[in-house]
Amino acid sequence: AQTVTQSQPEMSVQEAETVTLSCTYDTSESNYYLFWYKQPPSRQMILVIRQEAYKQQNATENRFSVNFQKAAKSFSLKISDSQLGDTAMYFCAFGGGADGLTFGKGTHLIIQP
Amino acid sequence: EPEVTQTPSHQVTQMGQEVILRCVPISNHLYFYWYRQILGQKVEFLVSFYNNEISEKSEIFDDQFSVERPDGSNFTLKIRSTKLEDSAMYFCASSGPQGAVPHEQYFGPGTRLTVT
Repeated sequence: AQTVTQSQPEMSVQEAETVTLSCTYDTSESNYYLFWYKQPPSRQMILVIRQEAYKQQNATENRFSVNFQKAAKSFSLKISDSQLGDTAMYFCAFGGGADGLTFGKGTHLIIQP
Repeated sequence: EPEVTQTPSHQVTQMGQEVILRCVPISNHLYFYWYRQILGQKVEFLVSFYNNEISEKSEIFDDQFSVERPDGSNFTLKIRSTKLEDSAMYFCASSGPQGAVPHEQYFGPGTRLTVT
């Protein structure tokens, strides 16, 4: 079974700063996908970014990028030029294709004005 | 942009009652999922559904739970006899347009279930 660990329960940064959220995982699979989801106070789950394990290049989506270290089983999310609207819970998730996702416990990110 | 919808947004029910949570997945998706999130905790996988049958289920998905795709658009989760500990947010998700690798799941807004 896969496990996903997010070791930072809460983080707080100033607006416009860069912040990195960490995630580690454990799996015996070689082919899988990793995701970061954002959950604002509305509790909607919003897909932020996706990484395929077979791709060496780190995924980027505008201000969001990942640092994927397959050997270390590490998948961190970097948010550049943070904005007040980035305040939310962020969940790291592991998926093996069509299977259900395994989520970490989440990091509560607070962007201070 | 297509989205997953869920109804109702909030359901209050008494212990022992049956509830049905409804979801309309994105129309060209082929894989459907239910997750739950107890307040303040992580999101937990319940069940996945493909080609009109369950493809995977977790330990949480016991005999009290069932899923159905009664027509071409709806996907439902039934809890037969609710318990207090079933109180949670229930999320539906879908993935896999035809011909694509099913790896990107899109979530609905959730149904908050309160069992009293």
